[in-house]
Amino acid sequence: SQTIHQWPATLVQPVGSPLSLECTVEGTSNPNLYWYRQAAGRGLQLLFYSVGIGQISSEVPQNLSASRPQDRQFILSSKKLLLSDSGFYLCAWVNPWGTEAFFGQGTRLTVV
Amino acid sequence: AQSVTQLGSHVSVSEGALVLLRCNYSSSVPPYLFWYVQYPNQGLQLLLKYTTGATLVKGINGFEAEFKKSETSFHLTKPSAHMSDAAEYFCAVSLSNQGGKLIFGQGTELSVKP
Repeated sequence: SQTIHQWPATLVQPVGSPLSLECTVEGTSNPNLYWYRQAAGRGLQLLFYSVGIGQISSEVPQNLSASRPQDRQFILSSKKLLLSDSGFYLCAWVNPWGTEAFFGQGTRLTVV
Repeated sequence: AQSVTQLGSHVSVSEGALVLLRCNYSSSVPPYLFWYVQYPNQGLQLLLKYTTGATLVKGINGFEAEFKKSETSFHLTKPSAHMSDAAEYFCAVSLSNQGGKLIFGQGTELSVKP
């Protein structure tokens, strides 16, 4: 069965510092991977998705970026964090037909 | 463009009362529809989903939802609310013509009063 690992679970970072959140998937190959952000009191916003190594689609302009260096690895990064980057970040795997979706446990990022 | 609308960002019910959380979608292709629950400081847990077949879908914890194509709706119900049902609920649609891209509604926070 598919398992998604996300770390760290919580993170407190100062404004202007870099960010790297990692997501790895087990139990499937060539997964479609997604990064979502949930800001306080708001819904889940799709940030990036990837259908393969090196293939990244961005849904919203922002100071975040994503990379997929390996088939089962999806990384969310920032060179300089903003206060508005605070939120709950979720990694997800969705099968190509859209009938199955699995989520990691999330990373709560607080930018101070 | 495909979208999901959840009517009511906050819903409050009494314990034992009917729970009704509304979700409407727009999609240019037959949708796959999901309901997720999020407890405080936790990730998402799948409640139920509709892909094909029977339009009334039963999920965990006594929840069910009915896919109504004519109304483009997928409302979530539970006959009798429990205190433990207090959480945030998200409706989502996946887009089969876009590699299964999953789009969420804004969420509905359910409060249950004793």
